[in-house]
Amino acid sequence: QVQLVQSGAEVKKPGASVKISCKASGYTFTRYGITWLRQAPGQGLEWVGWISPLNGNTNYAPKFQGRLSMTTDTPASTAYMELRSLTSDDMAIYFCARDYYGSGNYYFEIWGQGTLLTVSS
Amino acid sequence: DIQMTQSPSSLSASVGDRVTITCRASQSISAYLNWYQQKPGKAPKVLIYSASNLYSGVPSRFSGSGSGTDFTLTINSLQPEDFATYYCQQSNRTPYTFGQGTKLEIK
Repeated sequence: QVQLVQSGAEVKKPGASVKISCKASGYTFTRYGITWLRQAPGQGLEWVGWISPLNGNTNYAPKFQGRLSMTTDTPASTAYMELRSLTSDDMAIYFCARDYYGSGNYYFEIWGQGTLLTVSS
Repeated sequence: DIQMTQSPSSLSASVGDRVTITCRASQSISAYLNWYQQKPGKAPKVLIYSASNLYSGVPSRFSGSGSGTDFTLTINSLQPEDFATYYCQQSNRTPYTFGQGTKLEIK
C-alpha cells in the first residue's frame, strides 16, 4: 500500500542541524510532490515547504529561507528535510506528506507518521 | 500570508448530534480549501478537498461548503470516532496556511 515512513525521533542542541528522511513506497515516487509540515507541542499545523521529486524544484516558507534544505534520492524513493541553526522554537513533530494536485488545488493526501524533534541544551 | 480563522476553537457535542465548524480566510481563496481530521498522536487525514469534495473513503456524514472567504464543515449524526481536532487549510497560495483547529469533544 501507499505509505510514507519517516526516520526516528531526534534530539539536538541549539545551533545544530537536523536531517529527517521520508521513505515512500507503493507508488511512483516522481509522480507526486512531497510537502513537509510541522506541529509544535499542543499547537496547530504549519507548512514548511515542498519539493518535486521529479525535478528537484522547491518552494520554502519564507520564515525558513536560508536555513532549510529539501532534497530527494529518487532511486531510494526518499525525501529529506534539513533544518539548520536550530532553536527551541523548532521543537515540533515534523511530517512529510504526499501531495495531490487536481483541478488547480493541492491537498496533503498521504502522511508520514511524524518525527519528533527535541531541541535542548 | 493568508490568515485562516476557525470557530469555535472547541466544541462539545453528543453522539448523534449535527455540528458545524466555520473557517474564514483573510482574503478570497476561491474554493482552494481543504479540511483535515487529526486524532491525538496521529497524523492528520484529509476529509474534504476543494471546499466540498469528499475524499475517498470518508463517510458521507461529512460535508463541506463555501467559497471565497467563508467555509463550513458539517458532520451529521456524530459517531464516537469523530471526536478529534479539525483543521482547515488554504491552498490558494504559498505559504499554505491552516486554521488554528477546532477540538470536538464528547459532551
